[in-house]
Amino acid sequence: DADVTQTPRNRITKTGKRIMLECSQTKGHDRMYWYRQDPGLGLRLIYYSFDVKDINKGEISDGYSVSRQAQAKFSLSLESAIPNQTALYFCATRRDSSGGYTFGSGTRLTVV
Amino acid sequence: GIQVEQSPPDLILQEGANSTLRCNFSDSVNNLQWFHQNTWGQLINLFYIPSGTKQNGRLSATTVATERYSLLYISSSQTTDSGVYFCAVDLWESTDKLIFGTGTRLQVFP
Repeated sequence: DADVTQTPRNRITKTGKRIMLECSQTKGHDRMYWYRQDPGLGLRLIYYSFDVKDINKGEISDGYSVSRQAQAKFSLSLESAIPNQTALYFCATRRDSSGGYTFGSGTRLTVV
Repeated sequence: GIQVEQSPPDLILQEGANSTLRCNFSDSVNNLQWFHQNTWGQLINLFYIPSGTKQNGRLSATTVATERYSLLYISSSQTTDSGVYFCAVDLWESTDKLIFGTGTRLQVFP
């Protein structure tokens, strides 16, 4: 099994719909992250969490919310999806500030 | 803010060739990683290398933190090496944000 698992892998949804992307990890890391990648660009940080009671906004959090249900689970929600949220979404984990990041395989989201 | 520039932006190789990818960053960094994004979009961690040299098979990387650059070497390239290579850094004073470079798109032909 992968260290960081994202579901679904691909999703097409309609404008205005609520959608949740899920992430689970088996690395035992406290820090978890959600990033977004637009075509031809690097990744941008949406939200991050240091533990279940510590959630922080990243640089592009508008239109998104998150939930840290447990150390191993971190979900990203789009309350009312819009077409410019069409992107590749990545979840990542990290042990602490001195460690490297491990990324999931990504969720390709299309909003029509 | 910090600038992370990669060169070259595009690279086309024939199978078996060697290549060097460069990452320059404009400020002191806490960490540096190299990633390979394959043709399916998956982001694969290659090296966690804030300083020094590491090797993993045909790939090796060197970071000279005092001179603010890192190099990724690919030897005997294969078609499966195709994709985009990103370096990413985070800052000593950061809010735990990984800042990605501009990427190098590599195409390896048989």
